Order: sequence, then C-alpha cells, then structure tokens
Amino acid sequence: SQKIEQNSEALNIQEGKTATLTCNYTNYSPAYLQWYRQDPGRGPVFLLLIRENEKEKRKERLKVTFDTTLKQSLFHITASQPADSATYLCALGSGTALIFGKGTTLSVSS
Amino acid sequence: DVKVTQSSRYLVKRTGEKVFLECVQDMDHENMFWYRQDPGLGLRLIYFSYDVKMKEKGDIPEGYSVSREKKERFSLILESASTNQTSMYLCASMSQGALNTEAFFGQGTRLTVV
Repeated sequence: SQKIEQNSEALNIQEGKTATLTCNYTNYSPAYLQWYRQDPGRGPVFLLLIRENEKEKRKERLKVTFDTTLKQSLFHITASQPADSATYLCALGSGTALIFGKGTTLSVSS
Repeated sequence: DVKVTQSSRYLVKRTGEKVFLECVQDMDHENMFWYRQDPGLGLRLIYFSYDVKMKEKGDIPEGYSVSREKKERFSLILESASTNQTSMYLCASMSQGALNTEAFFGQGTRLTVV
C-alpha cells in the first residue's frame, strides 16, 4: 500500500542547533515533494518544493534534500530558534492529488 | 494577496443534519482539495477537484460529497453528520500543470457534531 511516513511525531532541540526531519514514502513515484509549516489552529503554509531531478534546495536557514532511490526527503533547519517551533508536514504529488504525511512537531527551547 | 477563504471558522451541528462547508479561492486555480485533520492521523484527503464539475475521491470519501459548479468555489457536504465527523476541515487550492506550484490553505473550519 502507499505510505508517507515522517519518522517522529515530536522533536525537541536546543536553540542554535540544526533540526533534521525525515519523510519516507513507499509505492509512490512523485514528481515533486513539498514541505509545509503549520502553527496551532492554522492552515499549513508552504515552505519549499523540490523536484525529482533535484538533489537539494535551500531557502535562508532551510534545506531540503530528495533521494528518489531511498524514497526519502530530509528537511533541515539550521541555527534553529524558538520561533521555528511548529508542526512540519511533507507532501507529495500523486497524479493531481496532494498527499500529506502526519507531520513532525518541532519544539525549540532557548 | 492570494486567498483561500472558508465560510466558517467554528461550526456546531447536530447528528443527522446536512452540513455544507464552503471554500472560495481568488487565484483562478484549477485544483482544489478538502482535507480533514485529526490528532495522530494528520491531514487526510477527502475529495479533490481538478476542474469545474470534476471530482475525485481521496483516501476517506465515505460520508462526504462535494460540489464544484464554479472554478473558484468547492463545497464539502456532509449528507448526514455523525459524531465521528467532528474534526478540523481544511480546504486548499493549487495551480495545475507546472511543477513549480504550492498549495494555499484556508484557515480551517473546526466542526463539532453533537
């Protein structure tokens, strides 16, 4: 069956460290993968998109990698700050549908 | 500023009622989606639409139907609301075609069925 898995429900790190979140998928062949941020009580907000032919994408303190052989994407936040505390969702395109993982809740303590 | 607007932020309905959740986008997007979000289960796709009058079932369509009579509006209908449909409902829209796309979400509707 098709699955998208984000490896942990919660991740706690200290301010200034790098947070690394993982997204694995099975039985999909996505043309792209996206990452979103969601704050409590709000809808998700788009952060980054990476295509199947791209290995890495960066935006300010964010970095995403995409390994279609391992069927995995890694999402990094460098020099993390308490304001980065939120739930992060990965999503992949399956035909016209957009399918989400369950998310990882990141808590950055000062 | 692009916008996806859901008609209600909070809604309380009785079991057996017919419930309409409305979503409007102003970006001329072809694709629109309805998700529900529950603790521990994440965002689950109920239905999506890639064009006017077109609809496709997502992962959990049972108990729901949708309507897309105009490009900018996508409605989710609970034919006979049940307590297990208490949830946060999120609408999203996305442009079709080019891979350099992102989904825009509404603010969500928290539906409670009593």
